[in-house]
Amino acid sequence: ETGVTQTPRHLVMGMTNKKSLKCEQHLGHNAMYWYKQSAKKPLELMFVYSLEERVENNSVPSRFSPECPNSSHLFLHLHTLQPEDSALYLCASSQDKDGSTNEQFFGPGTRLTVL
Amino acid sequence: AQKVTQAQTEISVVEKEDVTLDCVYETRDTTYYLFWYKQPPSGELVFLIRRNSFDEQNEISGRYSWNFQKSTSSFNFTITASQVVDSAVYFCALNTGNQFYFGTGTSLTVIP
Repeated sequence: ETGVTQTPRHLVMGMTNKKSLKCEQHLGHNAMYWYKQSAKKPLELMFVYSLEERVENNSVPSRFSPECPNSSHLFLHLHTLQPEDSALYLCASSQDKDGSTNEQFFGPGTRLTVL
Repeated sequence: AQKVTQAQTEISVVEKEDVTLDCVYETRDTTYYLFWYKQPPSGELVFLIRRNSFDEQNEISGRYSWNFQKSTSSFNFTITASQVVDSAVYFCALNTGNQFYFGTGTSLTVIP
């Protein structure tokens, strides 16, 4: 596998379910990101990890819980979500989080629907 | 406040026409980076270009060209002789520090 992979590609869950999104990067990068893409809205940066430490949390509700066990893997744990959380969740990675080396490589996303 | 505006929501052109996608940004930082990404129907964003705030040289890559003008805070993207495969959503983004700010995207449809 090359690049950034995400599983599952599609997920439908009820508001009381608990699920996790998985992201894996095969690029040897040090930084990983979670984004939320909703229709007609800009991509929203949710979390940034650099060398497995969270460096940014853009006021994301606690029903979203990230986990970065190592520099190649990133998870987004979901629980008691709301219908408005339905969106495409994109994972990305970059060499570092600094501007000069941070062109991001994106995964294909997980299309999440909350019923 | 940091912000990226892509005023064009949707554009349709006929194949072989040239098309320019507009991007206007706002930031008070003196050091920043600007990006363009392409999102085809498959979903994953594809990096196209990065430009830092100190390099206003325009860039050409094949049929793609970018015009960076700090005086108007714009970073426009032109596709020459468009092709059907160019149909996608294009995002402009601004990076300052650890933060990325994306525009709402421009959906480009190239009609055969």
